[in-house]
Amino acid sequence: EVQLVQSRGEIKKPGDSLKISCKASGYTFSNSWIGWVRQMPGKGLEWVAVIYPRDSNIRVTPSFQGQVTISADESLTTAYLQWSTLKASDSGIYYCAKLRTLPTGISAPADVWGQGTMVTVSS
Amino acid sequence: DIVMTQSPNSLAVSLGERATINCKSSQSLLHYSNNYNYLAWYQQKPGQPPKLLIYWASTRESGVPDRFSGSGSGTDFTLTISSLQAEDVAVYYCQQYYSAPMNTFGQGTKLEIK
Repeated sequence: EVQLVQSRGEIKKPGDSLKISCKASGYTFSNSWIGWVRQMPGKGLEWVAVIYPRDSNIRVTPSFQGQVTISADESLTTAYLQWSTLKASDSGIYYCAKLRTLPTGISAPADVWGQGTMVTVSS
Repeated sequence: DIVMTQSPNSLAVSLGERATINCKSSQSLLHYSNNYNYLAWYQQKPGQPPKLLIYWASTRESGVPDRFSGSGSGTDFTLTISSLQAEDVAVYYCQQYYSAPMNTFGQGTKLEIK
């Protein structure tokens, strides 16, 4: 069974750093794009960034450029999203999601989702 | 950026009746190279992650009941639930994956039972 299991929720203060994780299993981790989607409280869905673990090809949505860092560890089949300086506006639920492996590469729907990690940034 | 606009924002339908959700993109999602529409539909129930229902505008994901169907091409798309069941109460999102990585979502449509 293909699964994405995310790290638990975090409560942080503005200015703190944070790294959340997404452990993948049941498929060849290296061969599928995997990324992060943000859902702010009561709001819709926004892609943050995606990575192709085999060659660490990274694409970041422009509005998140410079705000987050995405990475992946092939040996641990785990993807990460990190912040060096959190802001209150970073609060939300972050879902990791795997893109369907298709000939169209990164242009693919997200077919498997993690359970979500709630990040709360408050003083 | 491709902007996705769904209508209506919320919808109440009686059990067993048809539910229709529309999605309009600011640019055509029909790719010249393969004649596919780069459009997906997701269902999100309260407290759960989104679930892929439909991709390529009309291909049903494995395990999705056949009462769910997708149609449309270019800039106008529709998700139809032919006979609403209680378990279909959720928020539904369309998403374009034409301009990856900015695979933008619509704002969501909340579906309730009348």
